[in-house]
Amino acid sequence: EIVMTQSPATLSVSPGERATLSCRASQSVSSNLAWYQQKPGQAPRLLIYGASTRATGIPARFSGSGSGTEFTLTISSLQSEDFAVYYCQQYNNWPLVTFGGGTKVEIK
Amino acid sequence: QVTLKESGPVLVKPTETLTLTCTVSGFSLSNAKMGVSWIRQPPGKALEWLAHIFSNDEKSYSTSLKSRLTISKDTSKSQVVLTMTNMDPVDTATYYCARIRYQLPDYWGQGTLVTVSS
Repeated sequence: EIVMTQSPATLSVSPGERATLSCRASQSVSSNLAWYQQKPGQAPRLLIYGASTRATGIPARFSGSGSGTEFTLTISSLQSEDFAVYYCQQYNNWPLVTFGGGTKVEIK
Repeated sequence: QVTLKESGPVLVKPTETLTLTCTVSGFSLSNAKMGVSWIRQPPGKALEWLAHIFSNDEKSYSTSLKSRLTISKDTSKSQVVLTMTNMDPVDTATYYCARIRYQLPDYWGQGTLVTVSS
């Protein structure tokens, strides 16, 4: 099983600042990496797939990068609605997909 | 309009079998480009993929839970059913079904919280 490790577990950021989230895979997943945003009481929402492609309707302030085992999600200027938990997911072994443990982005 | 809705018991006892139903609308379970997965999330914890069923009825299961899971579908009823045997308190979680298109979930159900307790 491919293990996905996210860091940090919690990120405290002020509105308007940049947030950088990391995700590491235990083995190469090529670019088969997705990022999700989840708010309390809601299902996850797909933000990024293919490591760097924004899903439909996702604002340009969200960007993804990386390949192989190291990936990054960057939120260029945090808005109030961006405070949430973010998960990475590999689908290189689809349908045997695995998720990271999540990064909570909270207001500083 | 695509929707998915999970249904099933909110409380099960340890050792019992859980049966959850995902009723879909706005697409057909026979559509070759789509499938349905079940994913769960214990309170305050991360997401865990459980099982997937393809349009051709092929199935795939989480390696760690494979012995306890069964996924099936009834295309005429637009339903996907997940059963999990020998439930334990650690299985307490919100269970989601999601439509999978091009290997990624594009629509999710609202989720259903299942508590395992005697």
